[in-house]
Order: sequence, then C-alpha cells, then structure tokens
Amino acid sequence: KAGVTQTPRYLIKTRGQQVTLSCSPISGHRSVSWYQQTPGQGLQFLFEYFSETQRNKGNFPGRFSGRQFSNSRSEMNVSTLELGDSALYLCASSLSGTVGELFFGEGSRLTVL
Amino acid sequence: GQQLNQSPQSMFIQEGEDVSMNCTSSSIFNTWLWYKQDPGEGPVLLIALYKAGELTSNGRLTAQFGITRKDSFLNISASIPSDVGIYFCAGQLGAAGGTSYGKLTFGQGTILTVHP
Repeated sequence: KAGVTQTPRYLIKTRGQQVTLSCSPISGHRSVSWYQQTPGQGLQFLFEYFSETQRNKGNFPGRFSGRQFSNSRSEMNVSTLELGDSALYLCASSLSGTVGELFFGEGSRLTVL
Repeated sequence: GQQLNQSPQSMFIQEGEDVSMNCTSSSIFNTWLWYKQDPGEGPVLLIALYKAGELTSNGRLTAQFGITRKDSFLNISASIPSDVGIYFCAGQLGAAGGTSYGKLTFGQGTILTVHP
C-alpha cells in the first residue's frame, strides 16, 4: 500500500513569491492535514480537509491556504512568501481525521531567500 | 503554539541500554501517539494509544497512556544504532467539540543518540 506522497521534495523561492505544495494521501484515506515544522516552533498544525471541506484551521495567517480535490488529493498554497516561511511542510492522511493514526509524508522542504 | 512537555530533550546512550522518555500536558487527550523522525524525512508512527491506562508494545518499544489522560511514556529496550533519531509524542483530542479534526499537538521531541 503506497504511503503519503508529497511533491516537490525541495524548493527554493524568494520573498514575495507564492508556492503550491501537493499531497496524495494513502488510498482510502479521506482526511488530509498539513503541518509546518521549524526548529524554533516544532510541528504546528496548519489545517485539515475532509471531503473537499476545510474542517479545522490552525493559527496561521491568511497567506496560508489549502484545498482538497474529489480524489482526496490536497494542495496547500503560501502567498507573499516571507523568510520565516522557510520550513518543512508535512502532509498527513488518516481515514477520518477524528481519531486514529495520522500517517505522514516525507515533506516538502521550502527555503525562502 | 501549544505544545506538550516532552523530556528529556536529548539522550546519549550506549548500544544495549534501555531508554525512557515521557510527555506531560496540562489538558487531557483522548489519543496519544508516538512518532520517530529521521533527518529530512517525515515522522513515522511507532505506537498509538487509545485508552487511559493502556500499555502497548511494538517490538522493543513499549508505551503507556497515563491514567489521568495528561501524560504518556515511551520505553525502548536494548537500544541499537538504528534507533537514532528524534522521537515525538503527540496528543489528539478527536472529534471533541468538532474543533480537533486532524489536529495533533506535538511535544518538542527527544533526540536520541546511540553509541555502538
């Protein structure tokens, strides 16, 4: 059974640009969550999607957004990039998002210059 | 953001030794999860705990869900070099109040180094 797939694995952007990251969940999983990981703040929850609907959102500015498609694949977008957005962005999938194991992808490493 | 208090922050041990780490929280969780992360990779799930007082093993790993639902610990027995990595605890509220979908609250991590 294939795991969670994230693309791209690495990317470099400059301040003010925008970026889109993609996540394909484990087959059959309908919930996709996104996390930001930085050395200073650790793992922080961004948002969660289920059946194309955002059900939960963390404490991040509106520059961070996401969406989910009918096949459960998800994308997140960060607009007007800032230096502090440099981080490992992790996607996690689960069956329902309410209880049970979340399985993480390998992440997308974003560097903002 | 809110995080769990995970300790110790780092451990340096000899191969063959046992390891113990724990997490505490000021609020309760309905599920506790333990993950391991290698450099440049995503966290890999080690153990999931769903019931207060539950003790669960996965090979050389044993974890417990505290009775108060505010803490959990992870033990690794007879450590080997491939145990090196960062271990994270994570708490999950579940569907309580409808505000916890997909959200895990993570500890700061325990960096484990194993000397052969």
